[in-house]
Amino acid sequence: DAGVIQSPRHEVTEMGQEVTLRCKPISGHNSLFWYRQTMMRGLELLIYFNNNVPIDDSGMPEDRFSAKMPNASFSTLKIQPSEPRDSAVYFCASSLSGLGSPLHFGNGTRLTVT
Amino acid sequence: RKEVEQDPGPFNVPEGATVAFNCTYSNSASQSFFWYRQDCRKEPKLLMSVYSSGNEDGRFTAQLNRASQYISLLIRDSKLSDSATYLCVVTTSTGNQFYFGTGTSLTVIP
Repeated sequence: DAGVIQSPRHEVTEMGQEVTLRCKPISGHNSLFWYRQTMMRGLELLIYFNNNVPIDDSGMPEDRFSAKMPNASFSTLKIQPSEPRDSAVYFCASSLSGLGSPLHFGNGTRLTVT
Repeated sequence: RKEVEQDPGPFNVPEGATVAFNCTYSNSASQSFFWYRQDCRKEPKLLMSVYSSGNEDGRFTAQLNRASQYISLLIRDSKLSDSATYLCVVTTSTGNQFYFGTGTSLTVIP
């Protein structure tokens, strides 16, 4: 079975550019999560969707970040304009919402903003 | 107060040793519990769920203590390949949101 698929695996961009990260959750999963991980701050939840609806976006750092889930099989996380402090690994994860169902992570996108 | 507290370590143990990690959580209504393993530059991967009665998977044993609000992971006969960061995860009462500990770093030494 295909797991959570993220693209690109690596992204290097210059400050001020727009960055779009993509995620395809596991088929049948109805919850999708975007996380960011850095050495300094660890794993941080940015936003999560349930049945394609954003439920909690309190972790989104600022207005430069936006996330969408137009359908059950696709989500994007956009940063515009990007800044060097956005450099991190961004993980997408999905689950079947409900008790006892774990999270499944994608391979992550390693973002470097110069 | 953080939802989940975890000793970051690092734990450096010799091969064959037994090592235990604990994790405390603040919400007594939390419903589901997990241990994840994360290797360097990789994504977190589910190691095992933690059930109320405790559960075992080979050399790994997970326990839940609801009264004291902690979960534990015991690794017996440590292997070099066990070197990784171990993350405890606790969900909300509905199971819809996941709270991660900061992770405990384990290095198994030859």
